[in-house]
Amino acid sequence: GESVGLHLPTLSVQEGDNSIINCAYSNSASDYFIWYKQESGKGPQFIIDIRSNMDKRQGQRVTVLLNKTVKHLSLQIAATQPGDSAVYFCAETALNAGGTSYGKLTFGQGTILTVHP
Amino acid sequence: ETGVTQSPTHLIKTRGQQVTLRCSSQSGHNTVSWYQQALGQGPQFIFQYYREEENGRGNFPPRFSGLQFPNYSSELNVNALELDDSALYLCASSSWTGNYGYTFGSGTRLTVV
Repeated sequence: GESVGLHLPTLSVQEGDNSIINCAYSNSASDYFIWYKQESGKGPQFIIDIRSNMDKRQGQRVTVLLNKTVKHLSLQIAATQPGDSAVYFCAETALNAGGTSYGKLTFGQGTILTVHP
Repeated sequence: ETGVTQSPTHLIKTRGQQVTLRCSSQSGHNTVSWYQQALGQGPQFIFQYYREEENGRGNFPPRFSGLQFPNYSSELNVNALELDDSALYLCASSSWTGNYGYTFGSGTRLTVV
């Protein structure tokens, strides 16, 4: 079936470094992508999203890049801090037939980001 | 603006029992989705509710059922619990009128023994 997957299950960086987390998706019908951060014992927390009509979107210290040609999504975190340590998930979904809303989210396995002081 | 609230936070049940989990959606959100997250895995979609009706379902058996109430809150019911049902159950609310939403609660940790 359709799935969203991650290339690296773990990523370890030093504080202040930039981090890049990658994600591959297989559903060509997906038109909306979200990155979530999940800390232990908590639910996923929205980080940044991007629609399929864009290839880059920036937030505060985070950038999401979308390459629809190779169905690849990445999350870049600038100046990574110890508080960024968590599991990061990419998720994808598609507009419903009426184009008015989104349906289920399909999540990848997640990447564990560890930031060392 | 309130977030998504789930109760209880933790629950231990015996195999074969039934369980009800509850979710209050974020203010302004009229769609509720439920997800199951096994340890070390990404969340898996169970179903979605809009206007008190199921509006999409994942690959889960009928013993997983739900309700949505007029105030958009929701319940997840699981009958005949199995050991593999042990997981974190997440509720997410969103707005049917588009844009992103998908605000997640902190989940209910269910342990089946």
